[in-house]
Amino acid sequence: EIVLTQSPGTLSLSPGERATLSCRASQSVSSSYLAWYQQKPGQAPRLLIYGASSRATGIPDRFSGSGSGTDFTLTISRLEPEDFAVYYCQQYGSSHTFGQGTKLEIK
Amino acid sequence: QLQLQESGPGLVKPSETLSLTCTVSGGSISSSSYYWGWIRQPPGKGLEWIGSIYYSGSTYYNPSLKSRVTISVDTSKNQFSLKLSSVTAADTAVYYCARLILQRSIDYWGQGTLVTVSS
Repeated sequence: EIVLTQSPGTLSLSPGERATLSCRASQSVSSSYLAWYQQKPGQAPRLLIYGASSRATGIPDRFSGSGSGTDFTLTISRLEPEDFAVYYCQQYGSSHTFGQGTKLEIK
Repeated sequence: QLQLQESGPGLVKPSETLSLTCTVSGGSISSSSYYWGWIRQPPGKGLEWIGSIYYSGSTYYNPSLKSRVTISVDTSKNQFSLKLSSVTAADTAVYYCARLILQRSIDYWGQGTLVTVSS
């Protein structure tokens, strides 16, 4: 099973700042089969990025994904108030597993 | 607009079987482009993949749950279902049904339903 480790566990930033979230896999994720999701309290997750770097429909261009192999990054270029949430990475190259999440909170 | 809605008991006794159904509206469960899956989230914790199914009936399960999980599909009702046997308190979670693009990322989610395992 591929284990995904997200860091940091909590990220405290202010609106307008840049956020960089990391997802590291215990073994290489084939074909960059990695996605990122955003989850707000009481809501289902929302797909942001798939294929490591492709934005899902309707996702603002301030969200970007990068990486390959075992190291992946989600970047939010300028934080808006609605971006403060929990973010999960998911790999689907070998079965499916999720990272434990990064909480992005307002500083 | 595609919608997924989970239904089933919110309370299940230990050792019994948890049963949930997901009704899909606004689209066909028989589309060749999609799989249909279940994901759960214990209160205050992260997401756990349970398994998925294709309209033909092909299934894929989380190895850690495989011995207790059955996912089935009813194309005539545009529904798919989850059965999880021999539940314990550790199975208490919000259960989400979802649509997968092929066997890949999840583009639509149900609202989720809380299932509590308690006597």
